[in-house]
Amino acid sequence: SAVISQKPSRDICQRGTSLTIQCQVDSQVTMMFWYRQQPGQSLTLIATANQGSEATYESGFVIDKFPISRPNLTFSTLTVSNMSPEDSSIYLCSVGAGTGNEKLFFGSGTQLSVL
Amino acid sequence: DQQVKQNSPSLSVQEGRISILNCDYTNSMFDYFLWYKKYPAEGPTFLISISSIKDKNEDGRFTVFLNKSAKHLSLHIVPSQPGDSAVYFCAAMEYGNKLVFGAGTILRVKS
Repeated sequence: SAVISQKPSRDICQRGTSLTIQCQVDSQVTMMFWYRQQPGQSLTLIATANQGSEATYESGFVIDKFPISRPNLTFSTLTVSNMSPEDSSIYLCSVGAGTGNEKLFFGSGTQLSVL
Repeated sequence: DQQVKQNSPSLSVQEGRISILNCDYTNSMFDYFLWYKKYPAEGPTFLISISSIKDKNEDGRFTVFLNKSAKHLSLHIVPSQPGDSAVYFCAAMEYGNKLVFGAGTILRVKS
């Protein structure tokens, strides 16, 4: 298993501003994943962050809106840029275990509210 | 396009009884299925999984059943305990690809 520290745990932000979420893992991992959970919705994968290369974004998510950094094997950040109320969600980072990353371990999440 | 569906938003069960949470999927290429549990203000935690080559996997009070022909899986919790009250997410994947999650079912176990 992995211990994942994510911060901030929650924030209330103004429209048009940006928020950077940090994720720290207690062990080195190749891939880190960023998820979003909108109210009443399922967890949706935003992007996969690989150390040393650009993140891979899922359909419907773009780098300009959700830039990701992955400076080393234990740390990643996700920025939610130019926020609007539709960005109000829980954002979660996770790391995989198993040969196919089929078991995910999640951080405690960031509850973001945009006014 | 919801590939994984949890049609019951919530479920209420008496302590000591069985809880049955259901999940349907549409993608026949999924070959690995998982259940996660989430408490408020915490991230989801892995609970139990099953490969498509099996139809049942048991871990203590938790059993997952897979019906591939019906594209349906279920999680049984017996006996249910108040500490089991949480949101349960079903997830599925085609091995090596990303996990796809359902919207979750809120389980309330009444004492």
